[in-house]
Amino acid sequence: EAGVTQFPSHSVIEKGQTVTLRCDPISGHDNLYWYRRVMGKEIKFLLHFVKESKQDESGMPNNRFLAERTGGTYSTLKVQPAELEDSGVYFCASSHSDTQYFGPGTRLTVL
Amino acid sequence: SQKIEQNSEALNIQEGKTATLTCNYTNYSPAYLQWYRQDPGRGPVFLLLIRENEKEKRKERLKVTFDTTLKQSLFHITASQPADSATYLCALARNNRLAFGKGNQVVVIP
Repeated sequence: EAGVTQFPSHSVIEKGQTVTLRCDPISGHDNLYWYRRVMGKEIKFLLHFVKESKQDESGMPNNRFLAERTGGTYSTLKVQPAELEDSGVYFCASSHSDTQYFGPGTRLTVL
Repeated sequence: SQKIEQNSEALNIQEGKTATLTCNYTNYSPAYLQWYRQDPGRGPVFLLLIRENEKEKRKERLKVTFDTTLKQSLFHITASQPADSATYLCALARNNRLAFGKGNQVVVIP
C-alpha cells in the first residue's frame, strides 16, 4: 500500500511569489492534515479535512494560506504571496482513525 | 499556555542498553499520545499510540507509559541497536489535532 506522498519535495521561491504544495493521502483515508515545521521549532498543526470539508483550520497562520481538497482525495496548500517567514517544512498526514501517517514533507524556502 | 517538553540534549547510549525518553506536558488534556520516529529529511514515522486510560503499551522492543497525573509519558527502546539512532517525537492528541514536542535525538553507539 502506498504511503502519503507530497510534491514537490523542495521548492525555492522569491518573496511575493505563489507556491502550491500537493498531498496525496493513503487511499481510503477520509482525514487529511497539514502541519508545518519552521526552523528550530516544533511541528505545528495547520488544518484538518474530513473528506472535502475543512473540519478545523484554526492553525492556519493567516489568509495568505489556502488549502483545498476537491473531491475528497488529494489536497493542495497554496501560499500567496509568500513571505520569508513561510520558509519551513510542510507535512501532510492522513488517517483512517486515530493514527496519523505522515508524508515526507515539502521543504519550502522563500528568498 | 500549553507546553510539551522533550529533552533537548541528545541521548548517547551504548548498543544493547535501554534508551529512555521523557515527554512532559502542561496545560493540556490529551485524549491519547503518540510517539513518532523521524530521520533527517524524512517525515515522522508512527511507532506507538497510548490512550489516556492506558498505563502501558508495548510493541516489539518499544514500550510506552502514560501517567496523566504526572502529565508524563516515558518511551523505552530496549536492546538498542545503531539502526535505532534517530529523533523521537512525542505528540499529544485532542480533537484530532496533534501537538508535538521538539523531539529528542538518540544516538546508539556500536
